[in-house]
Amino acid sequence: RKEVEQDPGPFNVPEGATVAFNCTYSNSASQSFFWYRQDCRKEPKLLMSVYSSGNEDGRFTAQLNRASQYISLLIRDSKLSDSATYLCVVNEGSGGYQKVTFGTGTKLQVIP
Amino acid sequence: EAQVTQNPRYLITVTGKKLTVTCSQNMNHEYMSWYRQDPGLGLRQIYYSMNVEVTDKGDVPEGYKVSRKEKRNFPLILESPSPNQTSLYFCASSFGRNFNEQFFGPGTRLTVL
Repeated sequence: RKEVEQDPGPFNVPEGATVAFNCTYSNSASQSFFWYRQDCRKEPKLLMSVYSSGNEDGRFTAQLNRASQYISLLIRDSKLSDSATYLCVVNEGSGGYQKVTFGTGTKLQVIP
Repeated sequence: EAQVTQNPRYLITVTGKKLTVTCSQNMNHEYMSWYRQDPGLGLRQIYYSMNVEVTDKGDVPEGYKVSRKEKRNFPLILESPSPNQTSLYFCASSFGRNFNEQFFGPGTRLTVL
């Protein structure tokens, strides 16, 4: 089983739709979680951190389910500009040890 | 402007010819990392550094070296590149001990013939 697993997609959705991605992780000791966005051939950029209590930023909502070991990203009212690959990132460790694992990404294409 | 810079952005080289990809950040970040990104495999960590003179292996360190002599710079060295090191490489930095937001450089596309 991969350490961090995502459905690669692509998810093709019409403008205005709501779309949700999940990401599962295998290490129950994982400590922090993030969603990054990557446009084609560009560098990844932080979209949101994922907190235990869930967090929302405009049209984006991220949630963490530690019991089932997955995180989710919900995008409401999709825009054309949301088309990108969304990377799930899981951080394990503390103190002097830091291991960061990226999922392979979920591709989203928002269609006019 | 806060940023991470990498050079070169594109490089085509031949097997066995030593090369260095530079990475520099101007945000006074303690943590820096190198990743490679390959289709279907995502981003994989090569090496990371928690501070000056402190480096450690990531998931795929074979064939790579790094150094951290200054806080702002974290070069990636390929002593004897091979075709399986053809990839897109990203340098990243972050502030603090818990790998908060990572800021990525623009990437270096390396082809080894």
